[in-house]
Amino acid sequence: GEDVEQSLFLSVREGDSSVINCTYTDSSSTYLYWYKQEPGAGLQLLTYIFSNMDMKQDQRLTVLLNKKDKHLSLRIADTQTGDSAIYFCAVPDAGGTSYGKLTFGQGTILTVHP
Amino acid sequence: DAGITQSPRHKVTETGTPVTLRCHQTENHRYMYWYRQDPGHGLRLIHYSYGVKDTDKGEVSDGYSVSRSKTEDFLLTLESATSSQTSVYFCAIRNDRGSPGYTFGSGTRLTVV
Repeated sequence: GEDVEQSLFLSVREGDSSVINCTYTDSSSTYLYWYKQEPGAGLQLLTYIFSNMDMKQDQRLTVLLNKKDKHLSLRIADTQTGDSAIYFCAVPDAGGTSYGKLTFGQGTILTVHP
Repeated sequence: DAGITQSPRHKVTETGTPVTLRCHQTENHRYMYWYRQDPGHGLRLIHYSYGVKDTDKGEVSDGYSVSRSKTEDFLLTLESATSSQTSVYFCAIRNDRGSPGYTFGSGTRLTVV
């Protein structure tokens, strides 16, 4: 099955950029996702990228995909204290009988200091 | 919003008792999933469903069973709760229409004492 890895912690100052990295093992997934989880809440879809794209920008968010290295990153520009949360990389299992099962990384806890 | 609700939101139960968690969706999506979230593990798949009465095991299915008798409801049952099943449980649906992605419920925090 799919294996997804993320670093566990990231600490930045308010106004700086944050970069959260993710590696995965199955490169045939169609879409790759980033989810955000605020304390005590469920998971909120932050953004996604189609596997034939290298980059996707959405306001302060930039997703980079390197399929050769199986590496996905999420950059948050001008990070704010409200961005403090856990960020999950999620990759669907590929293949005809995968039924869209999502494999998650362990989650990166982003802490933003004033 | 895919209209997904989980119940109960919180539950405390004793070791050895059966527990059923409910996931309800209002938009007729085919695929539904149960995950558990534990510190350091991210979310791990327990069971999933690809249609009414069509279910299969995920990565951490031991001690759990599921049922889906209607499209809108996906039930997760802990046959005999153990302390290792203390966790936060999330239900998810895969969006069949519109933008790609998965929508998650708000979660059920289960404590087994």
